[in-house]
Amino acid sequence: QKEVEQDPGPLSVPEGAIVSLNCTYSNSAFQYFMWYRQYSRKGPELLMYTYSSGNKEDGRFTAQVDKSSKYISLFIRDSQPSDSATYLCAMSAVRGAQKLVFGQGTRLTINP
Amino acid sequence: EAGVAQSPRYKIIEKRQSVAFWCNPISGHATLYWYQQILGQGPKLLIQFQNNGVVDDSQLPKDRFSAERLKGVDSTLKIQPAKLEDSAVYLCASSSLMGRAEQYFGPGTRLTVT
Repeated sequence: QKEVEQDPGPLSVPEGAIVSLNCTYSNSAFQYFMWYRQYSRKGPELLMYTYSSGNKEDGRFTAQVDKSSKYISLFIRDSQPSDSATYLCAMSAVRGAQKLVFGQGTRLTINP
Repeated sequence: EAGVAQSPRYKIIEKRQSVAFWCNPISGHATLYWYQQILGQGPKLLIQFQNNGVVDDSQLPKDRFSAERLKGVDSTLKIQPAKLEDSAVYLCASSSLMGRAEQYFGPGTRLTVT
């Protein structure tokens, strides 16, 4: 079993829809949870960073962490074609963003 | 602030040949990472340096992969000899020791082994 599981998609939604992306994990030591966005032929860029359980909102993006269920989510409101990318969840058991374990990534397409 | 620089961007080699990738991290970042990202998968950590010392190389295939970070700045990753399964994007990332230690990624080097 992989430490981090993520549905690879692809996921295709119309512009303006709410998008929900999810990951599950097995290592209860993970405390730091991140979402990265990766455009084609680019490196990943950090979107959201959360510590422990709870919600965090940044503009159109909301990250949720449920440590009791070992489940994290990223919601994108009012999705735009520019949001089309691969979204990677990543987790760490040590301070900050060190020793990251990534999910497989979900390929998302927002159709105009 | 300049980002993480990597070169070359693309490389095609035959199996059993050798190849080297170069990374220049963000200025002042003490920690440098090399990841391997196979098509359709998330990045997998190969090696982590702090300054010029190795912190974690547990997933580095040491029989064929080597990496160094002389003077604690630039780094090179080498594969010798390459295998077909080494075809992937090799990403370099760097982070500060302060605060969240957020990792900033370079654009990657896409390696194709034929």
